[in-house]
Amino acid sequence: LAKTTQPISMDSYEGQEVNITCSHNNIATNDYITWYQQFPSQGPRFIIQGYKTKVTNEVASLFIPADRKSSTLSLPRVSLSDTAVYYCLVAGATSGTYKYIFGTGTRLKVLA
Amino acid sequence: IAGITQAPTSQILAAGRRMTLRCTQDMRHNAMYWYRQDLGLGLRLIHYSNTAGTTGKGEVPDGYSVSRANTDDFPLTLASAVPSQTSVYFCASSPGTGGVNTEAFFGQGTRLTVV
Repeated sequence: LAKTTQPISMDSYEGQEVNITCSHNNIATNDYITWYQQFPSQGPRFIIQGYKTKVTNEVASLFIPADRKSSTLSLPRVSLSDTAVYYCLVAGATSGTYKYIFGTGTRLKVLA
Repeated sequence: IAGITQAPTSQILAAGRRMTLRCTQDMRHNAMYWYRQDLGLGLRLIHYSNTAGTTGKGEVPDGYSVSRANTDDFPLTLASAVPSQTSVYFCASSPGTGGVNTEAFFGQGTRLTVV
């Protein structure tokens, strides 16, 4: 099974770019990488998903190197409301068996 | 739009008792999931279902069972609760089959305490 590892916590200031990296050394060929955001007492919320190279949407970018053993979530110009826990998820299917492995989460604190 | 509805919101349960956590979605998604979230361990998959009538085991299935009689409902049953099952339980759903490359939508969670 792919094991995902993330930093436990990060601090940043408003207006800065934040990069959170997830390591998934045993990622399989069919696996996708997804990032979620979670606020206290709420369920996780989808941010972005990718398979390789770079993906960008209106809130974030996801960078995945060629070997796919890590991925980096980039949040441009964070605000106080971005204070949350961020999770990476590696998910895939092999011979009809599915796996969904979440990282342990990175607690981001945005300071004024 | 309700999305994913979980019930109850919280529950205190005596050890040894049977408990069913309910999950209903109104998005007609094929795939549904149950996760547990524990401090320091993140979210761990208990069971999943790719379509009505099928289920699969996740990372931590022991002590739990699920059924998927129709598209909308995916109940999670603890046959005989133990204190180690104290956790926050999240139900989720996603379109398509398997959901490995699609967005998952999560409920608000059920906080279960087994004493």
